[in-house]
Amino acid sequence: GENVEQHPSTLSVQEGDSAVIKCTYSDSASNYFPWYKQELGKRPQLIIDIRSNVGEKKDQRIAVTLNKTAKHFSLHITETQPEDSAVYFCAASYGNQFYFGTGTSLTVIP
Amino acid sequence: DGGITQSPKYLFRKEGQNVTLSCEQNLNHDAMYWYRQDPGQGLRLIYYSQIVNDFQKGDIAEGYSVSREKKESFPLTVTSAQKNPTAFYLCASSPGTGWYEQYFGPGTRLTVT
Repeated sequence: GENVEQHPSTLSVQEGDSAVIKCTYSDSASNYFPWYKQELGKRPQLIIDIRSNVGEKKDQRIAVTLNKTAKHFSLHITETQPEDSAVYFCAASYGNQFYFGTGTSLTVIP
Repeated sequence: DGGITQSPKYLFRKEGQNVTLSCEQNLNHDAMYWYRQDPGQGLRLIYYSQIVNDFQKGDIAEGYSVSREKKESFPLTVTSAQKNPTAFYLCASSPGTGWYEQYFGPGTRLTVT
């Protein structure tokens, strides 16, 4: 089955700096890569996703890049704000199942 | 936060007892999922269902059972055969499988002593 690895497990940045979270996947059949944000005590919510026919997608301060050859994808958050502090999960999917990374706890220091 | 609900938010049980976690959605979604979340391990798939009266095992289905008698409902039973049942359980739904966003419920924290 698919194996998704996510790094780093924790990340601290100063407010206004950028944050980058990286994920790798093992199954070349995976074709959908969502990123979820989970605030403390709340449910995960989708923040951005990318399909395998696209190399990059951007939504305001958030961007995701995908390298199918290397089987890795990354989340980029620019101009970080304290409300960006949360746990972020990447996932890889094909067909019926989603495989999640182990999460990155991001802390934005004011 | 409406659309997919789970109850209760916190659940306490004695070891050896079966317990059923509720998941309901009014989004008219075909697919529903159950995940288990443990610290440092992300979300792991227990069961999923693409249509009514059909469901498939995920990676960690042992000790769990589900049913999908109605499109809106996908209850999860944690049986006494589950070796380490204490965890945070998340239910999700999506319009279909494949390139669809999953919508998560608020979760149920189960503690078994």
